[in-house]
Amino acid sequence: GIQVEQSPPDLILQEGANSTLRCNFSDSVNNLQWFHQNPWGQLINLFYIPSGTKQNGRLSATTVATERYSLLYISSSQTTDSGVYFCAVEGSYNTDKLIFGTGTRLQVFP
Amino acid sequence: EPEVTQTPSHQVTQMGQEVILRCVPISNHLYFYWYRQILGQKVEFLVSFYNNEISEKSEIFDDQFSVERPDGSNFTLKIRSTKLEDSAMYFCASSRDNYEQYFGPGTRLTVT
Repeated sequence: GIQVEQSPPDLILQEGANSTLRCNFSDSVNNLQWFHQNPWGQLINLFYIPSGTKQNGRLSATTVATERYSLLYISSSQTTDSGVYFCAVEGSYNTDKLIFGTGTRLQVFP
Repeated sequence: EPEVTQTPSHQVTQMGQEVILRCVPISNHLYFYWYRQILGQKVEFLVSFYNNEISEKSEIFDDQFSVERPDGSNFTLKIRSTKLEDSAMYFCASSRDNYEQYFGPGTRLTVT
């Protein structure tokens, strides 16, 4: 099955810093989503981005499907950005399940 | 904005007992999913459901598990005889068109 790898596994930032999170996947995909898991365990949809670039406030994401990676950019980080960021993909071949990566744990300090 | 809701938020049960986790998907969605996340690990797919039948299931989803859409709004996951290793956060998700999936807040199941 598809392998999804995220880097870095852990990231520590001071408030106001920028960061880039990476997601690599091993095969072609129909769907790619980024989620933020907050300290209460909730999964918050950030982006649905099987290809191209999207922006939402301080967050933006880019997926280059032909090269099998996606990037999540966080600018001017805030303490509320802390948590785990997951990338999840749905393969192209007769499947509708999302396969999650192992996540990037982000801690933002004031 | 419509949301997926799940009840209860936390369930504690004894090993061997049956539990039913409930979900109300977004109202115009047609595809429904259950995932689980063991503490500290990544989120894993359990099952997908469309048109009143299972469309895909993982190896985890064995005979101990079942899903049902008993009416037009609820989507349930039943675990027949719980084991300690079933302790996890269970997420329900729904999708209108089998593309973007929207997740509920989760039910934390603790088996003692």
